[in-house]
Parts: sequence; C-alpha cells; structure tokens
Amino acid sequence: EAQVTQNPRYLITVTGKKLTVTCSQNMNHEYMSWYRQDPGLGLRQIYYSMNVEVTDKGDVPEGYKVSRKEKRNFPLILESPSPNQTSLYFCASSLSTPSRGRSDEAFFGQGTRLTVV
Amino acid sequence: SQQGEEDPQALSIQEGENATMNCSYKTSINNLQWYRQNSGRGLVHLILIRSNEREKHSGRLRVTLDTSKKSSSLLITASRAADTASYFCATDNHQGAQKLVFGQGTRLTINP
Repeated sequence: EAQVTQNPRYLITVTGKKLTVTCSQNMNHEYMSWYRQDPGLGLRQIYYSMNVEVTDKGDVPEGYKVSRKEKRNFPLILESPSPNQTSLYFCASSLSTPSRGRSDEAFFGQGTRLTVV
Repeated sequence: SQQGEEDPQALSIQEGENATMNCSYKTSINNLQWYRQNSGRGLVHLILIRSNEREKHSGRLRVTLDTSKKSSSLLITASRAADTASYFCATDNHQGAQKLVFGQGTRLTINP
C-alpha cells in the first residue's frame, strides 16, 4: 500500500531537548516536504527536498533541520525545541520532479502532534 | 506566503444538500488541487485540475477553475455525514516549482 509513515504520532517534550520526527515513503517519490499546521494559519511549509542530498527552506524554516540521505526518508530535526514549535506536523511526498515542471498529487502522513513545554 | 484562500471558512448544511466551497489565489499556476482533512488527520488528495482545464468531475465532486478570475470552486453533491471535514485548496507556482501552497481551509459540517 502506498503510504507516508511518520513517527511518532504524539510527542510531548521539554524546551531544549533535541528531537527527531521520522518520515518514510514507499512510492519512490523524489519530492518530499514538511509542513506545520496551526489554528488560523493553515499549513505552512518548513523544508522540502527535490531529491537525495537536495534540500531547501520553505516558508518557516527557523528552528528546524532536515536531511535527505536516502530517497525514502526525510527526517525533521528540532535541535532545541521551543514552545512556539508546538504544532501539528505533516510530512508529504509526491512524484514531482524539476523536469516535470508542475505539481502532482501529494501524499501525506498521518501527522505528528508535538507539544513543547 | 499564502496563495489560496478558501471561502467560506465554515459551512454547515443538511445531509443530502450540495456544498460549495470557493478558493481564490494570487499568482499564475500550473495546477490547483483540493484536499480533505478529517479532524487532526493527514490530508487526502481529492482532485487535481490543470490550468488549461475548466471543469473536472470525480464521483460526487465537481471542480471548476477560472484562471481569469484566479478562482476555483469545489462542489460536493448529495452530501453525506462522512463528508464532514476540512477542505483545502492548494496551488503550485507557474514558474515550475513543485511547492504547494495551502489556504486555511473550509470547515464543512454535514448535519444528519
């Protein structure tokens, strides 16, 4: 079954304690991205990756890091979480590549609800 | 940057009625997509309409696109309780980026 898998689904942590949210897709997609969803603000893109070892900032990258060492995995790293990073996070992947020059259907993970106290 | 904006923000109708949601965007696009999100869950792709298309159907869904007005509408016919969800439009960038920009969504409630 085609899917994007995020872990963990729920996480409560303390300010400053490094954490990683994992994301894995089984569709051989080249494009992967991370979003955060906050009430009244909709979904905002944090980082995206067009291929292995190619990552770039989205609209709200501050306080986050990503890596893309393998095609299927795109972990989101919070080196020193702060309470303003409390949010619902989504990983997504799609077939889109630069050569296609357009977007395609995105597949989303089930989300990670992060609380930083 | 916010590209798509949905209208209304919330919509409540009776089961069996039709629901119409609108989306406006600012810049030229290649595609416009609609997604559904059940409470706190991941987004599910509903339909994609390309900039050279004016209307598209999928089951009980009908999407229109007016590039001259930079707007789109999603019509759900014969609504069911299971259609209760938030609906988002997402646009890409005509300059070739794959990045999707989402609006804030329309919260649809279907009353039995």
